[in-house]
Amino acid sequence: AQKITQTQPGMFVQEKEAVTLDCTYDTSDQSYGLFWYKQPSSGEMIFLIYQGSYDEQNATEGRYSLNFQKARKSANLVISASQLGDSAMYFCAMREGGTGGFKTIFGAGTRLFVKA
Amino acid sequence: NAGVTQTPKFRVLKTGQSMTLLCAQDMNHEYMYWYRQDPGMGLRLIHYSVGEGTTAKGEVPDGYNVSRLKKQNFLLGLESAAPSQTSVYFCASSVPGLAESSYNEQFFGPGTRLTVL
Repeated sequence: AQKITQTQPGMFVQEKEAVTLDCTYDTSDQSYGLFWYKQPSSGEMIFLIYQGSYDEQNATEGRYSLNFQKARKSANLVISASQLGDSAMYFCAMREGGTGGFKTIFGAGTRLFVKA
Repeated sequence: NAGVTQTPKFRVLKTGQSMTLLCAQDMNHEYMYWYRQDPGMGLRLIHYSVGEGTTAKGEVPDGYNVSRLKKQNFLLGLESAAPSQTSVYFCASSVPGLAESSYNEQFFGPGTRLTVL
């Protein structure tokens, strides 16, 4: 069965440093998409970055990059040059293949604290 | 564009009462979803719809019903609310596409905080 695991309930990082949030997934599909979302204390879900299972290059969006290791089934989020505004919950999610857009599975999340 | 909106933002119900949550999107998206988020957990899919007039069960559908009479609206109903349904409910929408190759992110509404006493 499909599953997303985020093993870090909470992480601390010093402002301006880089931080890696871990995500491992389990699926028997060859085709899938991986997402990261940010949820600040205000509660909204903010899309950060996407990686398709057939993408050979790691996805990057500004200060966010996704370290995709397909053989290990991991999709870690790297935030470079952390800012105080990065303090939030971060969710890893996976959508399985075919003409989907549905059945997206979310991990339990990692709460990131950025220290000044 | 308002994106995805949800009504109401907050609600308190007594056990056994019924209510309907409304989700509206103005992006002409085919797909719409209802999730619930409980403390310490990620979002779990309740029901989804891949087009007007169609709905399907997600991961945790029991105790909920949905309807998609218009493309832009997706309603979530609780017929007889229970304390276990206390949660934050998120609606989302997206365009169709292949999971592995299309940039079809889900756009989320702001959430509805529901408390059942």
